[in-house]
Amino acid sequence: DTGVSQDPRHKITKRGQNVTFRCDPISEHNRLYWYRQTLGQGPEFLTYFQNEAQLEKSRLLSDRFSAERPKGSFSTLEIQRTEQGDSAMYLCASKGEKGTQYFGPGTRLTVL
Amino acid sequence: EDQVTQSPEALRLQEGESSSLNCSYTVSGLRGLFWYRQDPGKGPEFLFTLYSAGEEKEKERLKATLTKKESFLHITAPKPEDSATYLCAVLNSGNTPLVFGKGTRLSVIA
Repeated sequence: DTGVSQDPRHKITKRGQNVTFRCDPISEHNRLYWYRQTLGQGPEFLTYFQNEAQLEKSRLLSDRFSAERPKGSFSTLEIQRTEQGDSAMYLCASKGEKGTQYFGPGTRLTVL
Repeated sequence: EDQVTQSPEALRLQEGESSSLNCSYTVSGLRGLFWYRQDPGKGPEFLFTLYSAGEEKEKERLKATLTKKESFLHITAPKPEDSATYLCAVLNSGNTPLVFGKGTRLSVIA
């Protein structure tokens, strides 16, 4: 068990560019979650998958955000036409049959 | 709407000075209350899950307790390495995603 991994750990981009983040969950976990965390706040839910199906999206997830989980394994989160307000830590978590979510190290996005 | 409020926002302790962090919650049917520790620039690290009022869990210098309205994280004789932000989150009976509080930022001074 290598835990949840995320790539890249840091991303600096210019406003208007597209960015994509990857999350590899714990191998036997069928649920995968994306959260966003800004300074001084707790993580806020964005979306989640059960296997390859995207089951829920937060109202925080604007049309510029899209997430996929092909084949129910790793997941990607893409942000199109980034804005300075998108600067945050993007966290991925996975969960097995029991109720505990385990988090990855996060991807820190800075939009200049 | 589920809500989680953590207090204090920040806490500064001397090494060995025991204290408690509070997590107040309102939730439509609690399925679980979770405590996480988060170091700067890292993802949250799981500490405890509590499922029903009266339940307690312990790990080293940390002890978590739960009532019908709040949870406490008690820190006994803290050390500088306990410095971190402690996050509380709830999961409701609809099994919707976790709702987090803003966290308590703990600093333990040697």
